[in-house]
Amino acid sequence: DVKVTQSSRYLVKRTGEKVFLECVQDMDHENMFWYRQDPGLGLRLIYFSYDVKMKEKGDIPEGYSVSREKKERFSLILESASTNQTSMYLCASSPVRGGQYNEQFFGPGTRLTVL
Amino acid sequence: RKEVEQDPGPFNVPEGATVAFNCTYSNSASQSFFWYRQDCRKEPKLLMSVYSSGNEDGRFTAQLNRASQYISLLIRDSKLSDSATYLCVVTTNAGKSTFGDGTTLTVKP
Repeated sequence: DVKVTQSSRYLVKRTGEKVFLECVQDMDHENMFWYRQDPGLGLRLIYFSYDVKMKEKGDIPEGYSVSREKKERFSLILESASTNQTSMYLCASSPVRGGQYNEQFFGPGTRLTVL
Repeated sequence: RKEVEQDPGPFNVPEGATVAFNCTYSNSASQSFFWYRQDCRKEPKLLMSVYSSGNEDGRFTAQLNRASQYISLLIRDSKLSDSATYLCVVTTNAGKSTFGDGTTLTVKP
């Protein structure tokens, strides 16, 4: 079974702190994604990466950066956390087979609260 | 207008009912299509991929109409365990995925 793990299930940080959210997948997937999920707004893509050291902006990249130094690990960084970044953060990975983008496998999520 | 739009719901149906969800997408470069299921306070999980020819998995049938840019999910003989939020997902040929806001289904005894 594919396993996607996230470093924390719950996290509480203060405004202005630098926050690191880590995601690791064990299935050698090429693609990795970071989303946030908020009531009434659904899942929104922050960044995705299709290879090591490669990244693409999603729909809401402002206030976030990412790092992918190894294929299995994709980190989301909040340089200076703000209260409007309180949310559920979900990481996902997916394989590429025959040039087709396939289903995504999600981690359990990190519920971040910024005070 | 949102890139992916779903029926707002919620859908409240009795056990054994047939229920259909619809989803429309606006990006004609969309390449891959999926339905995910998300239980309360859990991560989304793949329910089924959607193919141009339509596909069926037990009580679940998915259809894709590329001309109308429309996807559907049909659930027959609903079970209590089908209660969840169903998310429509559209992925472009550049690998970017857009999720619908989801439709909540509650199946009642």
